[in-house]
Amino acid sequence: QLQLQESGPGLVKPSETLSLTCTVSGGSISSSSYYWGWIRQPPGKGLEWIGSIYYSGSTYYNPSLKSRVTISVDTSKNQFSLKLSSVTAADTAVYYCARLTPNCSGGSCYDYWGQGTLVTVSS
Amino acid sequence: SSELTQDPAVSVALGQTVRITCQGDSLRSYYASWYQQKPGQAPVLVIYGKNNRPSGIPDRFSGSSSGNTASLTITGAQAEDEADYYCNSRDSSGNHLRVFGGGTKLTVL
Repeated sequence: QLQLQESGPGLVKPSETLSLTCTVSGGSISSSSYYWGWIRQPPGKGLEWIGSIYYSGSTYYNPSLKSRVTISVDTSKNQFSLKLSSVTAADTAVYYCARLTPNCSGGSCYDYWGQGTLVTVSS
Repeated sequence: SSELTQDPAVSVALGQTVRITCQGDSLRSYYASWYQQKPGQAPVLVIYGKNNRPSGIPDRFSGSSSGNTASLTITGAQAEDEADYYCNSRDSSGNHLRVFGGGTKLTVL
């Protein structure tokens, strides 16, 4: 059974860089069949797509966050990571990592999710 | 980029049928996937593709699509179906960009 687990600091100071890692177990991040993504959810609000990465390193970002986001992959560790720079209180959210299957019976879907990790931006 | 629009809240009587909708230009070209989220939990995929359910999702959940609208239908809603529901699809401006709907809070009365 595939599992994803987010890890990283729960508290980040304003103007600093948020860094999270997602460790994938029970499957290979190097599979050509999947993409890997980050999604966040501010307290009491809806889901926001941050971006995705392919095992080859190709990345795709939400245009509203693109200038501050970097997603990378480490196939040797079966991990992918998120960096969000110049954070403010508006970046306080639960951050989820998830697997994106691009061919879900004609559609595409996030079929496996991590449990999520709360990151608070505060001094 | 494109947007997906959902009604913020919907209610249904126990055992009745409810439809949750998601509207957006990208849905004319791409199927939506649907996610159920209960308080304090990660989202769970409930519908994908034309009308497919992952293993373990009850068959009272079904999906459909017409024009720019995707729908999630729960036939015979149960108390445990009370949750937030989100649609997700590709962005109409680029195959690899994604967008979520704002979410619908389902209350089972």
